[in-house]
Amino acid sequence: NAGVTQTPKFQVLKTGQSMTLQCAQDMNHNSMYWYRQDPGMGLRLIYYSASEGTTDKGEVPNGYNVSRLNKREFSLRLESAAPSQTSVYFCASTLTGSNQPQHFGDGTRLSIL
Amino acid sequence: GDSVTQMEGPVTLSEEAFLTINCTYTATGYPSLFWYVQYPGEGLQLLLKATKADDKGSNKGFEATYRKETTSFHLEKGSVQVSDSAVYFCALSEAGSNYQLIWGAGTKLIIKP
Repeated sequence: NAGVTQTPKFQVLKTGQSMTLQCAQDMNHNSMYWYRQDPGMGLRLIYYSASEGTTDKGEVPNGYNVSRLNKREFSLRLESAAPSQTSVYFCASTLTGSNQPQHFGDGTRLSIL
Repeated sequence: GDSVTQMEGPVTLSEEAFLTINCTYTATGYPSLFWYVQYPGEGLQLLLKATKADDKGSNKGFEATYRKETTSFHLEKGSVQVSDSAVYFCALSEAGSNYQLIWGAGTKLIIKP
């Protein structure tokens, strides 16, 4: 079972470059999420999508855009990367509902020089 | 708004010691509660959950009881192993927040042989 697949696993960018992080899930989940994880700060929600065709801002959306391409795929784009966006990015998905856990990908480790 | 507070880490224990990681929450409604674990270099995975008061979630020797009267969901294990070394996250979700997970900051656990 693939679950949630993120690509790439690692990436190094220069300041000002753009990049799209890809996420796909094969569990027929409605909701998908993008988080960033920084040392000592836990997980912070960037954007989420409650269903195909909808996206909403989370806690830290500035500098990012997202696309819910279809039910399976949810991409995160950095239009002009900044060193402050150096982080580990996680995609997650779930069925909508209060007792439904989120399933996570293995993360993308992004460094911006 | 809703929030989750975890004890700060790192928590360092010897193998076979008893573990408690404290978690308390603030919620406007009646949340579901979760513990997630993140092993080094990996994404988060659900460890256990509880959806109503007095429920006990358990998995891999870990337990946590949903205590509505004290708004707590403390994680416990009777005898830890080196392989339990990881970061542990407490989280909640409820209808009032569109079932988004509200995360604690995470507690790093280090088990020494």
